[in-house]
Amino acid sequence: DGGITQSPKYLFRKEGQNVTLSCEQNLNHDAMYWYRQDPGQGLRLIYYSQIVNDFQKGDIAEGYSVSREKKESFPLTVTSAQKNPTAFYLCASTAGSNEQFFGPGTRLTVL
Amino acid sequence: AQSVTQLDSQVPVFEEAPVELRCNYSSSVSVYLFWYVQYPNQGLQLLLKYLSGSTLVKGINGFEAEFNKSQTSFHLRKPSVHISDTAEYFCAVSDAGYQKVTFGIGTKLQVIP
Repeated sequence: DGGITQSPKYLFRKEGQNVTLSCEQNLNHDAMYWYRQDPGQGLRLIYYSQIVNDFQKGDIAEGYSVSREKKESFPLTVTSAQKNPTAFYLCASTAGSNEQFFGPGTRLTVL
Repeated sequence: AQSVTQLDSQVPVFEEAPVELRCNYSSSVSVYLFWYVQYPNQGLQLLLKYLSGSTLVKGINGFEAEFNKSQTSFHLRKPSVHISDTAEYFCAVSDAGYQKVTFGIGTKLQVIP
């Protein structure tokens, strides 16, 4: 079955640590996205990539970094510069009509 | 710039009653409109989408939405809700031809037995 996988489902981080969230898709979509979800705030765009080896900052990119070395993969690193990283992170990819396909999400908690 | 307003953060409704979740958008160009559903601790799933053509769009699970260009609205409706419809619903908009999508803050639908 085609789809998007995210791992891990739950992730715990100590303050000052960098962590990387995985996102893989086998839908052959060119565009991929990372969103952060906090209660009552909807989805906020962190980074997006429309093609391999290219990506753009979204609305809340500070403290995050990404790479897009392969079409199937778009990992997100939450760096120690992100002061409030506890949130639910969603990865998505887009079909031609801008319909977004979402992964199951990763819940990150800072200890 | 595009934006989406979901007017109700929570909507309680009794089982088998009808429901309407409201969504208004702003954009300077032609738009694509979407409704997604999210169950707890899961990703979002597409309910329905408007790209062009008929303004009444039917989706999964008995939901439908009507695109109203003059009122810049895309309200979601279901004639009779079920307990399993309890979830959070997100309206989203993108400018046609541009791949960035803007989401509303969500509406939590609580179906009461």
